[in-house]
Amino acid sequence: DAGITQSPRHKVTETGTPVTLRCHQTENHRYMYWYRQDPGHGLRLIHYSYGVKDTDKGEVSDGYSVSRSKTEDFLLTLESATSSQTSVYFCAIKGSGADEAFFGQGTRLTVV
Amino acid sequence: SQQGEEDPQALSIQEGENATMNCSYKTSINNLQWYRQNSGRGLVHLILIRSNEREKHSGRLRVTLDTSKKSSSLLITASRAADTASYFCATDTNAGKSTFGDGTTLTVKP
Repeated sequence: DAGITQSPRHKVTETGTPVTLRCHQTENHRYMYWYRQDPGHGLRLIHYSYGVKDTDKGEVSDGYSVSRSKTEDFLLTLESATSSQTSVYFCAIKGSGADEAFFGQGTRLTVV
Repeated sequence: SQQGEEDPQALSIQEGENATMNCSYKTSINNLQWYRQNSGRGLVHLILIRSNEREKHSGRLRVTLDTSKKSSSLLITASRAADTASYFCATDTNAGKSTFGDGTTLTVKP
């Protein structure tokens, strides 16, 4: 897989606790994305980044925040996890001028 | 709401048959892409078609785009059991932003 790693791969957490998911890339790509995927559905964009410290909201950003302090890392934080945030989270990267996105293997998050 | 919507939601065919799935979208696009997802894995890029193109081929894949109808189709010819997966269309509208549909689940029976 194209130099993109998500951690952790699996996590179970309790309602109300903060959770941070990490996406790390070794490709030096400009764009990074966080999506969530729920059963029977496609990917919904949570937040994305178009450069260091440059981020924007996607279609389902409520309850999530992101940070990108360096090119290679894009962090997704659930400030206070809720059961509705139980999902599989995918990170993706894309280079400037490129159209193809490369996806990580996903993080399965369960909020109990 | 999702920009792209695939049809059908599920498709089951015999090995050797062709599989056709469709994608409709709502707003103007720069390009449209198709991705494949095997169960439990991330998405893998298959093919891209730009807004000024009407048809594109890659191996057993054929993609068409009709911007007047805001729709695209993906044809997989001579399907194989290994083609069993979910297929998603994604549309790029704003700079660097991709929006996905809900996908078509394809099952190819040996």
